[in-house]
Amino acid sequence: AQSVTQLGSHVSVSEGALVLLRCNYSSSVPPYLFWYVQYPNQGLQLLLKYTSAATLVKGINGFEAEFKKSETSFHLTKPSAHMSDAAEYFCAVTPYTGFQKLVFGTGTRLLVSP
Amino acid sequence: EAGVAQSPRYKIIEKRQSVAFWCNPISGHATLYWYQQILGQGPKLLIQFQNNGVVDDSQLPKDRFSAERLKGVDSTLKIQPAKLEDSAVYLCASSSGTGNTGELFFGEGSRLTVL
Repeated sequence: AQSVTQLGSHVSVSEGALVLLRCNYSSSVPPYLFWYVQYPNQGLQLLLKYTSAATLVKGINGFEAEFKKSETSFHLTKPSAHMSDAAEYFCAVTPYTGFQKLVFGTGTRLLVSP
Repeated sequence: EAGVAQSPRYKIIEKRQSVAFWCNPISGHATLYWYQQILGQGPKLLIQFQNNGVVDDSQLPKDRFSAERLKGVDSTLKIQPAKLEDSAVYLCASSSGTGNTGELFFGEGSRLTVL
């Protein structure tokens, strides 16, 4: 079975500061890993995905994440936070093969202060 | 390209009443999902369809929840009778099916409040 753990339900940063949102995964088979973002009263939108190619994945809005098998991690980073980055971020995992079924973490709310 | 459409966006009912949510996926997407997102939690998969067949409904409370996807396009999720703990946002998502790399496209969700 696959699962993800997101450390920290809330992360606060100042505008211009580094953003780091943590995600650790558990999977008995090679995983695909995803980060989704959810703005208030909206559905989830894909930020980036790891699908066994390059371990450093770049996504939209300046976000990137690095797959580290040895640490079973897939942390999300952005060098400089913008006010518009304030949202809920979800890490998700799915098995490499078979029907795709995303298993989500509990989410991390990113707060950005001026 | 039109996204995933859901309706209604908001619904308030009393416990023991029934409610139905509708979803129209992205055209051509074979796989359709219903997720339940309770406040403060991540989305939890309720049911997954491949065309009009059920792939996974292991977490669907079948005593009160039902879902169908007639003709492999639109889908309806029904709750009858509703309980207080069913208050949540019900998210519909679709993907292109086999061979895809797991990217799901989500609708804006239907927020249910059970009083």
